[in-house]
Amino acid sequence: AQSVTQPDIHITVSEGASLELRCNYSYGATPYLFWYVQSPGQGLQLLLKYFSGDTLVQGIKGFEAEFKRSQSSFNLRKPSVHWSDAAEYFCAVGVSNDYKLSFGAGTTVTVRA
Amino acid sequence: ETGVTQTPRHLVMGMTNKKSLKCEQHLGHNAMYWYKQSAKKPLELMFVYNFKEQTENNSVPSRFSPECPNSSHLFLHLHTLQPEDSALYLCASSQEGGRAGELFFGEGSRLTVL
Repeated sequence: AQSVTQPDIHITVSEGASLELRCNYSYGATPYLFWYVQSPGQGLQLLLKYFSGDTLVQGIKGFEAEFKRSQSSFNLRKPSVHWSDAAEYFCAVGVSNDYKLSFGAGTTVTVRA
Repeated sequence: ETGVTQTPRHLVMGMTNKKSLKCEQHLGHNAMYWYKQSAKKPLELMFVYNFKEQTENNSVPSRFSPECPNSSHLFLHLHTLQPEDSALYLCASSQEGGRAGELFFGEGSRLTVL
C-alpha cells in the first residue's frame, strides 16, 4: 500500500519569502499526487495534482510542485508567500485503480510579518 | 462557497447520546466519503459510498453508522461514543469512486465527546 511522509511538522516563513514543503511517498509504480490546503475552520481545498506528463505542475494561489521519481518526492513551492497562505498543507497519494487516497500528517505554515 | 455542505459545524455530546452528522453535495458526484481528522495525524478514511453502495468500511467501530440514501446525501449516525472519538469529521465527494481523483471536501463537523 502507498504511504506519504511530510517531514516538516511546522514551518515559519516571513511574508514575501519563498516557501517549500516536502513530501515523500512510498509506492512501486507512478502514483497520482495531490496537495491540499486547509485554512483554520475550513475543509481541505485542492491546490494542485499530478497524474502524468510534465513533472512541474502549476496550481492555484501561485503554488507549484515538482514530481521527482528518483527521489519519490512531490515538493510544493511558492516564490513569495502572503499572510493568507498561513494554513495546514497536506500531501496525498493515490493509485490509478483505487479511489483511496493516503494523506500525510500535514505541515502547518505560519507567516510572520 | 463549497459544493459540499456539512451540518452541524460543531457538536458536543455525552457518551450516551445519539446524534447524526449530515453531508450534502451539490456537485453531481457519484462517490461520497467520511474522513476523521485528529490533531497531527493523517486523515483516516472511514467509509466510502459509490453510487449509494458502501464500498469501504475501514475497520470503523460499530458506534459509527453511515447512511447514504442517495448520491447527494451522506449521514454519520453516532451513538455511545468515547472521548477519543472527539475529532473533526470531514465529508468529501468525487466524480467517481473507482479511481483516484480529486476530492471535494466540506468544512467539517467538529465533534466533542464529553
